[in-house]
Amino acid sequence: QQQVKQSPQSLIVQKGGISIINCAYENTAFDYFPWYQQFPGKGPALLIAIRPDVSEKKEGRFTISFNKSAKQFSLHIMDSQPGDSATYFCAAPYSGTYKYIFGTGTRLKVLA
Amino acid sequence: KAGVTQTPRYLIKTRGQQVTLSCSPISGHRSVSWYQQTPGQGLQFLFEYFSETQRNKGNFPGRFSGRQFSNSRSEMNVSTLELGDSALYLCASSATGDDGNTIYFGEGSWLTVV
Repeated sequence: QQQVKQSPQSLIVQKGGISIINCAYENTAFDYFPWYQQFPGKGPALLIAIRPDVSEKKEGRFTISFNKSAKQFSLHIMDSQPGDSATYFCAAPYSGTYKYIFGTGTRLKVLA
Repeated sequence: KAGVTQTPRYLIKTRGQQVTLSCSPISGHRSVSWYQQTPGQGLQFLFEYFSETQRNKGNFPGRFSGRQFSNSRSEMNVSTLELGDSALYLCASSATGDDGNTIYFGEGSWLTVV
Protein backbone atom coordinates (compact mmCIF):
# COMPACT_ATOMS: atom_id res chain seq x y z
CA GLN A 1 0.00 0.00 0.00
CA GLN A 2 1.51 3.30 -1.06
CA GLN A 3 0.11 5.95 1.19
CA VAL A 4 1.20 9.18 2.84
CA LYS A 5 -0.78 10.23 5.90
CA GLN A 6 -0.77 13.95 6.58
CA SER A 7 -2.08 15.78 9.64
CA PRO A 8 -3.71 17.98 10.64
CA GLN A 9 -6.22 18.61 7.87
CA SER A 10 -6.48 22.26 8.85
CA LEU A 11 -4.56 24.53 11.14
CA ILE A 12 -5.15 28.01 12.50
CA VAL A 13 -2.17 29.82 13.98
CA GLN A 14 -1.67 33.30 15.33
CA LYS A 15 0.83 35.55 13.60
CA GLY A 16 4.27 34.86 15.00
CA GLY A 17 3.35 31.36 16.13
CA ILE A 18 4.75 28.00 15.03
CA SER A 19 2.91 25.87 12.50
CA ILE A 20 3.64 22.14 12.54
CA ILE A 21 2.48 19.67 9.90
CA ASN A 22 3.24 15.97 10.10
CA CYS A 23 3.45 13.22 7.51
CA ALA A 24 3.99 9.48 7.72
CA TYR A 25 4.71 7.18 4.82
CA GLU A 26 4.23 3.46 4.38
CA ASN A 27 6.29 0.77 2.75
CA THR A 28 9.19 1.47 0.51
CA ALA A 29 9.83 5.05 -0.39
CA PHE A 30 12.97 6.64 -1.71
CA ASP A 31 14.43 8.94 0.92
CA TYR A 32 13.62 12.27 -0.59
CA PHE A 33 10.71 14.20 0.84
CA PRO A 34 9.55 17.49 -0.65
CA TRP A 35 6.93 19.87 0.67
CA TYR A 36 4.76 21.92 -1.62
CA GLN A 37 2.87 25.12 -0.95
CA GLN A 38 -0.26 25.89 -2.91
CA PHE A 39 -2.18 29.15 -3.01
CA PRO A 40 -5.76 29.27 -4.32
CA GLY A 41 -5.87 29.18 -8.09
CA LYS A 42 -2.21 28.24 -8.38
CA GLY A 43 -0.27 25.05 -8.90
CA PRO A 44 1.75 23.56 -6.03
CA ALA A 45 5.17 25.18 -5.67
CA LEU A 46 8.17 23.44 -4.16
CA LEU A 47 8.81 24.89 -0.71
CA ILE A 48 11.59 22.80 0.76
CA ALA A 49 12.85 19.23 0.48
CA ILE A 50 15.02 16.88 2.53
CA ARG A 51 17.36 14.15 1.36
CA PRO A 52 18.41 11.05 3.33
CA ASP A 53 21.82 12.23 4.38
CA VAL A 54 20.42 14.66 6.95
CA SER A 55 17.71 14.44 9.61
CA GLU A 56 16.87 18.12 9.51
CA LYS A 57 16.96 20.91 6.95
CA LYS A 58 16.28 24.56 7.55
CA GLU A 59 15.60 27.27 5.00
CA GLY A 60 14.68 30.58 6.52
CA ARG A 61 11.57 30.14 8.65
CA PHE A 62 10.90 26.66 7.24
CA THR A 63 12.38 23.49 8.73
CA ILE A 64 11.89 19.86 7.76
CA SER A 65 12.74 17.12 10.22
CA PHE A 66 12.94 13.48 9.20
CA ASN A 67 12.74 10.33 11.31
CA LYS A 68 13.62 7.36 9.16
CA SER A 69 12.97 4.67 11.76
CA ALA A 70 9.48 6.03 12.41
CA LYS A 71 8.87 6.73 8.72
CA GLN A 72 7.79 10.24 9.58
CA PHE A 73 8.72 13.73 8.48
CA SER A 74 7.37 17.10 9.47
CA LEU A 75 7.34 20.74 8.43
CA HIS A 76 7.79 23.50 10.96
CA ILE A 77 7.02 27.10 10.03
CA MET A 78 8.52 29.48 12.56
CA ASP A 79 7.21 33.00 13.08
CA SER A 80 4.19 32.22 10.91
CA GLN A 81 2.92 35.11 8.80
CA PRO A 82 -0.47 35.80 7.18
CA GLY A 83 1.27 35.37 3.81
CA ASP A 84 1.96 31.75 4.76
CA SER A 85 -1.78 31.04 4.63
CA ALA A 86 -1.99 28.31 1.99
CA THR A 87 -2.39 24.58 1.59
CA TYR A 88 0.69 22.49 2.25
CA PHE A 89 1.33 19.05 0.80
CA CYS A 90 3.99 16.55 1.72
CA ALA A 91 5.07 13.97 -0.83
CA ALA A 92 7.07 10.78 -1.07
CA PRO A 93 8.45 9.16 -4.19
CA TYR A 94 8.18 5.39 -4.45
CA SER A 95 11.27 3.70 -5.79
CA GLY A 96 11.16 2.80 -9.43
CA THR A 97 7.62 4.06 -9.98
CA TYR A 98 8.39 7.51 -11.40
CA LYS A 99 5.62 8.96 -9.29
CA TYR A 100 5.03 10.75 -6.01
CA ILE A 101 2.37 9.93 -3.49
CA PHE A 102 0.99 13.07 -1.90
CA GLY A 103 -0.49 13.68 1.49
CA THR A 104 -4.05 14.94 1.64
CA GLY A 105 -2.94 18.49 2.37
CA THR A 106 -3.11 20.86 5.33
CA ARG A 107 -4.96 24.13 4.99
CA LEU A 108 -3.07 26.67 7.08
CA LYS A 109 -4.56 29.97 8.13
CA VAL A 110 -2.39 32.48 9.93
CA LEU A 111 -4.35 35.15 11.75
CA ALA A 112 -3.01 38.70 11.62
CA LYS B 1 14.26 29.87 -16.97
CA ALA B 2 10.60 29.46 -17.84
CA GLY B 3 8.55 27.16 -15.67
CA VAL B 4 6.09 24.49 -16.64
CA THR B 5 3.46 25.91 -18.97
CA GLN B 6 -0.02 24.46 -19.23
CA THR B 7 -2.76 25.36 -21.67
CA PRO B 8 -5.59 26.06 -21.57
CA ARG B 9 -5.90 27.40 -18.02
CA TYR B 10 -9.67 27.12 -17.86
CA LEU B 11 -12.19 25.22 -19.89
CA ILE B 12 -15.77 24.09 -19.69
CA LYS B 13 -16.92 20.96 -21.48
CA THR B 14 -20.17 19.06 -21.76
CA ARG B 15 -20.59 15.46 -20.64
CA GLY B 16 -19.64 13.06 -23.40
CA GLN B 17 -17.20 15.44 -25.05
CA GLN B 18 -13.48 14.96 -25.07
CA VAL B 19 -10.69 17.31 -24.05
CA THR B 20 -6.98 17.69 -24.73
CA LEU B 21 -4.66 19.48 -22.33
CA SER B 22 -1.17 20.58 -23.19
CA CYS B 23 2.02 20.87 -21.17
CA SER B 24 5.45 22.32 -21.95
CA PRO B 25 8.05 21.23 -19.40
CA ILE B 26 10.94 23.26 -18.05
CA SER B 27 13.67 23.50 -20.66
CA GLY B 28 15.95 20.49 -20.39
CA HIS B 29 13.48 18.39 -18.43
CA ARG B 30 12.64 15.13 -20.12
CA SER B 31 10.15 13.65 -17.68
CA VAL B 32 6.57 14.83 -17.62
CA SER B 33 3.95 13.57 -15.22
CA TRP B 34 0.29 14.41 -14.83
CA TYR B 35 -1.79 14.63 -11.67
CA GLN B 36 -5.46 15.20 -11.03
CA GLN B 37 -6.38 17.37 -8.08
CA THR B 38 -9.84 17.35 -6.55
CA PRO B 39 -11.04 18.49 -3.12
CA GLY B 40 -12.11 14.99 -2.19
CA GLN B 41 -9.21 12.91 -3.54
CA GLY B 42 -6.28 15.31 -3.33
CA LEU B 43 -3.44 14.88 -5.82
CA GLN B 44 -3.71 11.65 -7.75
CA PHE B 45 -1.08 10.39 -10.18
CA LEU B 46 -2.28 9.90 -13.73
CA PHE B 47 0.82 8.94 -15.73
CA GLU B 48 4.46 9.70 -16.39
CA TYR B 49 6.35 9.99 -19.65
CA PHE B 50 10.03 9.99 -20.50
CA SER B 51 11.45 10.02 -24.01
CA GLU B 52 7.99 9.58 -25.48
CA THR B 53 7.41 6.41 -23.43
CA GLN B 54 4.83 5.99 -20.70
CA ARG B 55 6.65 4.47 -17.75
CA ASN B 56 3.82 4.34 -15.25
CA LYS B 57 0.09 4.86 -15.15
CA GLY B 58 -2.18 5.52 -12.20
CA ASN B 59 -5.53 3.96 -11.40
CA PHE B 60 -7.65 5.84 -13.87
CA PRO B 61 -9.97 4.46 -16.55
CA GLY B 62 -8.82 4.08 -20.11
CA ARG B 63 -10.63 7.30 -21.01
CA PHE B 64 -7.57 9.06 -19.67
CA SER B 65 -4.62 8.92 -22.01
CA GLY B 66 -1.53 10.89 -22.76
CA ARG B 67 1.47 11.17 -24.96
CA GLN B 68 4.81 12.89 -25.12
CA PHE B 69 6.49 14.37 -28.13
CA SER B 70 10.14 14.31 -29.10
CA ASN B 71 10.60 17.84 -27.70
CA SER B 72 9.32 16.56 -24.30
CA ARG B 73 6.07 18.47 -24.58
CA SER B 74 3.12 16.40 -23.47
CA GLU B 75 -0.61 16.22 -23.94
CA MET B 76 -3.27 14.40 -22.02
CA ASN B 77 -6.68 13.51 -23.36
CA VAL B 78 -9.88 12.62 -21.61
CA SER B 79 -12.61 11.11 -23.75
CA THR B 80 -16.31 10.73 -23.00
CA LEU B 81 -16.19 13.26 -20.20
CA GLU B 82 -18.11 12.64 -17.00
CA LEU B 83 -19.16 15.13 -14.35
CA GLY B 84 -16.66 13.54 -11.98
CA ASP B 85 -13.79 14.49 -14.28
CA SER B 86 -14.15 18.11 -13.17
CA ALA B 87 -10.82 18.86 -11.54
CA LEU B 88 -7.56 20.72 -11.71
CA TYR B 89 -5.17 18.84 -13.97
CA LEU B 90 -1.57 19.46 -13.10
CA CYS B 91 1.46 18.79 -15.21
CA ALA B 92 4.85 18.41 -13.55
CA SER B 93 8.29 18.10 -15.04
CA SER B 94 11.60 16.84 -13.75
CA ALA B 95 15.01 16.27 -15.23
CA THR B 96 14.72 12.50 -15.58
CA GLY B 97 11.85 11.40 -13.34
CA ASP B 98 14.16 9.04 -11.50
CA ASP B 99 14.15 8.52 -7.73
CA GLY B 100 14.84 11.72 -5.88
CA ASN B 101 14.20 13.99 -8.84
CA THR B 102 12.27 17.08 -7.82
CA ILE B 103 9.10 17.65 -9.77
CA TYR B 104 7.94 21.15 -10.62
CA PHE B 105 4.30 21.87 -11.28
CA GLY B 106 2.58 24.13 -13.73
CA GLU B 107 -0.38 26.30 -12.80
CA GLY B 108 -2.78 23.64 -13.97
CA SER B 109 -5.77 23.40 -16.26
CA TRP B 110 -9.12 23.83 -14.58
CA LEU B 111 -11.66 21.55 -16.25
CA THR B 112 -15.34 21.89 -15.53
CA VAL B 113 -17.68 19.30 -16.99
CA VAL B 114 -21.35 20.30 -17.16
